[in-house]
Amino acid sequence: QQQVKQSPQSLIVQKGGISIINCAYENTAFDYFPWYQQFPGKGPALLIAIRPDVSEKKEGRFTISFNKSAKQFSLHIMDSQPGDSATYFCAVLNTGNQFYFGTGTSLTVIP
Amino acid sequence: DSGVTQTPKHLITATGQRVTLRCSPRSGDLSVYWYQQSLDQGLQFLIQYYNGEERAKGNILERFSAQQFPDLHSELNLSSLELGDSALYFCASSVVATVQETQYFGPGTRLLVL
Repeated sequence: QQQVKQSPQSLIVQKGGISIINCAYENTAFDYFPWYQQFPGKGPALLIAIRPDVSEKKEGRFTISFNKSAKQFSLHIMDSQPGDSATYFCAVLNTGNQFYFGTGTSLTVIP
Repeated sequence: DSGVTQTPKHLITATGQRVTLRCSPRSGDLSVYWYQQSLDQGLQFLIQYYNGEERAKGNILERFSAQQFPDLHSELNLSSLELGDSALYFCASSVVATVQETQYFGPGTRLLVL
C-alpha cells in the first residue's frame, strides 16, 4: 500500500515561474513531512520540512503548504531557476521512525 | 560532499550471490540509515541503526541484513541476490536517533545483478 502519493510525475516551468508539487498521504499517524531534492548521480538532500502543527513554512524561495484536514502538503518553488532542475521527493515519517517516500517529480526549468 | 562515504561505487554480480555494501557516516554522527532506490520501487527506507543498535525497520527483505560496528561504520549485506535487487543503495547519517534531524546522504552504491 502506497503511503504517500506524489504528483505530477514531471513538470516543466519557465525561468521565474512558480513550480508546485503536491503530495497526499493516507495515515494520520505521520508527524514529519520533508521534501528532498536529488540531482542526477547524487544522493537526495533535505530541502525543507514541516511538522503538522503549522500550516506553512518558508525558507528562501521554497515554501511548504500543509493541509492537515485534507492530508495533503505541497512544495512551492518561487522564481524557479534552471539550477532547480532536479527530482523532488516528498516523504512522510511516522512515530516509529519509518520513512515513506513519494514517487518523485522531475522538474525542468527552462531558461 | 556530504561527508558520508560509501564503497564500492559500483558492483556487478550474479543472481544467487551475496554482497556487502559499506558506509562510513559523517564524523560525530551516531545514526546510519539505508535506502534502496530503483525504477520499480522508487526510494525506499530499509533500516536505521543508532550507536550500534537497530532503531527502525522499513521495507527490508529477509535476505538483507545490516549492522553498525563500534566505530560506527555500517554494512548492508544482500544475499541470494535476484535481478530485482538491482538498484542504487544509499546510506545516510545524522547526529541523533530521530529522523527529524537532517540526514546527510552518501553518493550511493550502484548494484547490478545479472
